[in-house]
This record gives sequence, structure tokens and C-alpha cells, in this order.
Amino acid sequence: SQQGEEDPQALSIQEGENATMNCSYKTSINNLQWYRQNSGRGLVHLILIRSNEREKHSGRLRVTLDTSKKSSSLLITASRAADTASYFCATRGSRLTFGEGTQLTVNP
Amino acid sequence: DGGITQSPKYLFRKEGQNVTLSCEQNLNHDAMYWYRQDPGQGLRLIYYSQIVNDFQKGDIAEGYSVSREKKESFPLTVTSAQKNPTAFYLCASSIRQGVYEQYFGPGTRLTVT
Repeated sequence: SQQGEEDPQALSIQEGENATMNCSYKTSINNLQWYRQNSGRGLVHLILIRSNEREKHSGRLRVTLDTSKKSSSLLITASRAADTASYFCATRGSRLTFGEGTQLTVNP
Repeated sequence: DGGITQSPKYLFRKEGQNVTLSCEQNLNHDAMYWYRQDPGQGLRLIYYSQIVNDFQKGDIAEGYSVSREKKESFPLTVTSAQKNPTAFYLCASSIRQGVYEQYFGPGTRLTVT
């Protein structure tokens, strides 16, 4: 079964707004990764946060990890229409396990 | 230009036929993976390989087979035993099997009628 579960399933915002996606998981992990998938394409790795880290930034992306709550969030600031995609969290235990994703739509 | 290639992008087959999906990487990665993605869902692991001549079953290996005769190549065969083969298939690789990020190919959409 999928370990990571993203919330919300779908999110629609206006360009310039911030987008926040959440991921919850069930068992202990080594790291948590976020990936992006444009429609009909392969996944692209965005950011990896280790279990001993609490926050990580990469450009307009900010990821937090709370291991006590077994949850992570991905914040995209100042969103653009080109950010429209599905976003997946993937948790690394013995292997990488993907959630079902959040479909983000950024309207121009 | 390094990366992972999958071919073909679209594949159509009749029920009862085996079909082989190609995956090649020139990243010099040891580990390679095959995932299946159904509409609106996440990825499910079919098979993975940590090194040449070695591969392990993932969560949904039934009806699939793989080989890893070369470091660069990890073909997936969808056999007639796979009950619902129509799906989007993604190949990925990583430096080694473990805590590393994975690099994905563009995917192959297989339709079986």
C-alpha cells in the first residue's frame, strides 16, 4: 500500500499566490522526497529532506518535515502558470514509496 | 546529453501478446526501477535492479518480467499473464539503490485491447 498520502488531492490557485501541499506517512523514514510530474511525462525530482532536517529551501520551494507528526509540506511561493503539474511525495524506508499526488492548477 | 530514454512513447497491443518496453540510461547509475502508474494515481513499483545481473520483485511483479544484462539497459516485458496491462509505465534510475533521488524517463503509455 502507498505510504505517503498527499493532501489536498487537487488545488487551484491564481498566479502569484502561494501553494501548499501536505504529505503524511505511516512508518519511520530515512528521507522524504518531492517530485513533480507534468501531464503525460516522467517525474522530476524537486527536493530531498533527510529525517534529521526540519526545513529545506530550493528557489521558490520550501519543504518542512515533522517526524513526530509523520508529515511534510511543500510550499511553492509566487506560483506561475508553468507550475501546473502533479506533485508527489515519496518516502524512503527500505525503498521509495510514492503517494497519489496533488494536482496543482495555477490559473493565469 | 545524459538521461534516461524509454521507447516507444505509445504502444498498442492485442490481448494475449507479450510486449517489451525499452529503458536505457547513460548516467552510469547502478540501480534501475520500473513503475506502473494508473490514471490519477501514484506510482507502484514493479521490479528493481541494484546491479547488473540482479533484480528484485517490487509490489506488483505478477505478469511482468525483466532482465539486466547491461548496466545501461533494463527492459520490461509485459506478459499475457498480466490481467490489466493498460497503463503508463515509468523507468527510473539512481546512483545506487538506497537513499538517493531517482531520475525518470519520459514514460511509455501501453494500451492493450
